[in-house]
Amino acid sequence: DAMVIQNPRYQVTQFGKPVTLSCSQTLNHNVMYWYQQKSSQAPKLLFHYYDKDFNNEADTPDNFQSRRPNTSFCFLDIRSPGLGDAAMYLCATSLPIYTTQQFFGPGTRLTVL
Amino acid sequence: GNSVTQMEGPVTLSEEAFLTINCTYTATGYPSLFWYVQYPGEGLQLLLKATKADDKGSNKGFEATYRKETTSFHLEKGSVQVSDSAVYFCALSDQGETSGSRLTFGEGTQLTVNP
Repeated sequence: DAMVIQNPRYQVTQFGKPVTLSCSQTLNHNVMYWYQQKSSQAPKLLFHYYDKDFNNEADTPDNFQSRRPNTSFCFLDIRSPGLGDAAMYLCATSLPIYTTQQFFGPGTRLTVL
Repeated sequence: GNSVTQMEGPVTLSEEAFLTINCTYTATGYPSLFWYVQYPGEGLQLLLKATKADDKGSNKGFEATYRKETTSFHLEKGSVQVSDSAVYFCALSDQGETSGSRLTFGEGTQLTVNP
């Protein structure tokens, strides 16, 4: 089945220690998104790629970076995680058409010690 | 800017009860409207969608109708099951978006269905 895969499902890091979360897709979608979701809240869009074009949200902290080396993979780098960055991180993909749905991965739960 | 407002939760119902979760939106153009569901510890899944006025989306017994005159997209189900317990998000995607299907989410409504 075509899908969105996120690894790892659970990630523990230390305060200030860089961490990378990964996302891959078999849907061949042009657009990939990264969301941060804190407990009992809606997902918050951090940034998205349309092919190789990077679109950062205005309020995304500089501490969050992303890379998309090819169509299938996208990475979220947190350069210096703080306690406030503990959250679920969701990757999603879509076609570049506003009437279509986004397909979400299962998420990576990040814990910062 | 765009916004989505959902009824406040949590909502607790008994099995086989009728469900309504209200959703209203503000958008400058003609958005597409979605309901996503999130089960504990998982990502979001599309439940249903509607892309133009008066369209009705339906799936798994859930329905929602795109009402342009009231800017609403209320979610309904005639008889809920315990397995419907989840968080439900109303969302819109703006027709002005040219770089994807960027979503504006409502706050989410936690639904618990008791046997």
